[in-house]
Amino acid sequence: EADIYQTPRYLVIGTGKKITLECSQTMGHDKMYWYQQDPGMELHLIHYSYGVNSTEKGDLSSESTVSRIRTEHFPLTLESARPSHTSQYLCASSDPRLNTEAFFGQGTRLTVV
Amino acid sequence: QQQVKQSPQSLIVQKGGISIINCAYENTAFDYFPWYQQFPGKGPALLIAIRPDVSEKKEGRFTISFNKSAKQFSLHIMDSQPGDSATYFCAASIAGGTSYGKLTFGQGTILTVHP
Repeated sequence: EADIYQTPRYLVIGTGKKITLECSQTMGHDKMYWYQQDPGMELHLIHYSYGVNSTEKGDLSSESTVSRIRTEHFPLTLESARPSHTSQYLCASSDPRLNTEAFFGQGTRLTVV
Repeated sequence: QQQVKQSPQSLIVQKGGISIINCAYENTAFDYFPWYQQFPGKGPALLIAIRPDVSEKKEGRFTISFNKSAKQFSLHIMDSQPGDSATYFCAASIAGGTSYGKLTFGQGTILTVHP
């Protein structure tokens, strides 16, 4: 099983609150990703990082932001949560030097009320 | 723009039957096609993957068939078991370079295998 961890697993929070979803991996992978999984199940890439101090927006526009200060850590932040942010957020990592696949964490299910 | 289309949305098969899920892609630059399996409450996990230099890849009961000219690929699960009940996603990406790992997913198929 892949060593990539997301916390919290579940989060219910009120509108307007600032939240940070944590993602850590112990595999030393350079590339990390955040995907959003909507109720219809489809996954969409919202952020990715090639390494420390590198972040890019993905295919799906998101009001969230990310940072990559350490290789193993890739947190996602919402400055002011809204009900439209309710979704499942999945973090993943990969290492192209080893030709490895994308490994996913178990996800954080966020509900904004 | 939906670049990977997956069907069916849901599939019910009997134990021992064959499950077939189909995907079609549009971007001819895609050259890596993985299938992911996701159980409730879990993140997706890689099941099997194929590159376009082969037309078929088999791992145990799971087989990917790939048709480059038609831009289609499919997952076949032989001797389907109740433990195979999960959501299956096809995906596509450009292997290598800066695009590696950036997956474009299909819409997912909920597979239910009845005992």
